[in-house]
Amino acid sequence: QSALTQPPSASGSPGQSVTISCTGTSSDVGYYNHVSWYQQHPGKAPKAMIYDVTKRPSGVPDRFSGAKSGNTASLTVSGLQPEDEADYYCTSYAGDFYVFGTGTKVIVV
Amino acid sequence: QVQLQESGPGLVKPSGTLSLTCTVSDDSISNINWWSWVRQPPGQGLEWIGEISQPGDTKYNPSLKSRATISIDTSKNYFSLNLGSVTAADTAVYYCARHSGRHFGDWGQGTLVTVSS
Repeated sequence: QSALTQPPSASGSPGQSVTISCTGTSSDVGYYNHVSWYQQHPGKAPKAMIYDVTKRPSGVPDRFSGAKSGNTASLTVSGLQPEDEADYYCTSYAGDFYVFGTGTKVIVV
Repeated sequence: QVQLQESGPGLVKPSGTLSLTCTVSDDSISNINWWSWVRQPPGQGLEWIGEISQPGDTKYNPSLKSRATISIDTSKNYFSLNLGSVTAADTAVYYCARHSGRHFGDWGQGTLVTVSS
């Protein structure tokens, strides 16, 4: 199985929005509504920001939102804040295993 | 709030076996259905290794299945990873994680394992 495809980087100014795509196949992203997104700051463990495509874990700001269309999922961060600068990874359940995305570095300029 | 802590040797020789343990605190390992191992080579992305359920059912990344073994000890509240025939490509930070449904809700801090002679 191949990793899900994400853009290497995305950027925005404070207060702006940024959207990250995550492209898989009809066997993972396109088939299951179990896409999740993780934020990772340097040297830290990943943190779940979105699960089951659109749901937010308790404590995650509503500035983070998720969506899916066909084989592509997306994460939108609205009202960018400096602390949102991090690496973001998508993951999809694919039946008997999970596949991660290639990762996107979000830069707050 | 559950806490997960990885432990094990930080250095493993090529062709040897990497062995890690994830100790779970403030929650019973029997309460949640699935527990996973995830790794991240230096400067690279995340890779799911495999998962285990409290009854002991396991699933593995097809790319690692022949080398990885995950086990669980409910009496000691931990689960373990053994990865055999390691090479330099297995050098990574290894994380353990607790599932919440079909996502990884809680993570350990990670432990770096280097494969080198």
